Amino acid sequence: SQKIEQNSEALNIQEGKTATLTCNYTNYSPAYLQWYRQDPGRGPVFLLLIRENEKEKRKERLKVTFDTTLKQSLFHITASQPADSATYLCALERNYGQNFVFGPGTRLSVLP
Amino acid sequence: KAGVTQTPRYLIKTRGQQVTLSCSPISGHRSVSWYQQTPGQGLQFLFEYFSETQRNKGNFPGRFSGRQFSNSRSEMNVSTLELGDSALYLCASSAPGTGRQDGYTFGSGTRLTVV
Repeated sequence: SQKIEQNSEALNIQEGKTATLTCNYTNYSPAYLQWYRQDPGRGPVFLLLIRENEKEKRKERLKVTFDTTLKQSLFHITASQPADSATYLCALERNYGQNFVFGPGTRLSVLP
Repeated sequence: KAGVTQTPRYLIKTRGQQVTLSCSPISGHRSVSWYQQTPGQGLQFLFEYFSETQRNKGNFPGRFSGRQFSNSRSEMNVSTLELGDSALYLCASSAPGTGRQDGYTFGSGTRLTVV
């Protein structure tokens, strides 16, 4: 069956450290994988997209990798700040032209 | 530019009633998707509309329906509400053909509580 898993439900790290979040999927062959941030009571906010033929994508303090052999994407936040505390969701395209499916999310807490 | 607007923000309904939620996408966005979010199931896809036509549909019972108007505004309706329908309902819009590449813009959602 198709499944998306994110490494842990919650992750606590110290301010200034690098946070690494994992997204693993089974029985999907996505051409695109997206990462979103969601704050409590709000809708998700799009952060980054990576294509199947891209190994790595960066945007400011954010970095995403995509390994289609391992069926895994890693999401890194460097020099993390308390303001980065939120739930982070990965999403991938179910099939070409079809809807995106979301992982369960990882709740990140950056401690001062 | 204005974001995705969802109304109402909060709603309390009684079991057995029906409810209609509204979503106004970003100007120029013609694709609207609806998601249900609950603590146990996460974000679950309901349906997607493009140019007034349903393009994709998730695995929800027929009590969940939607439509899109010529101005791209969308509504979703849930009939015969059940306690398990309590959730945050999110609407997302995208410009034609770009959602997969540029991401989706979500509204703040409608928090539905069924009592």
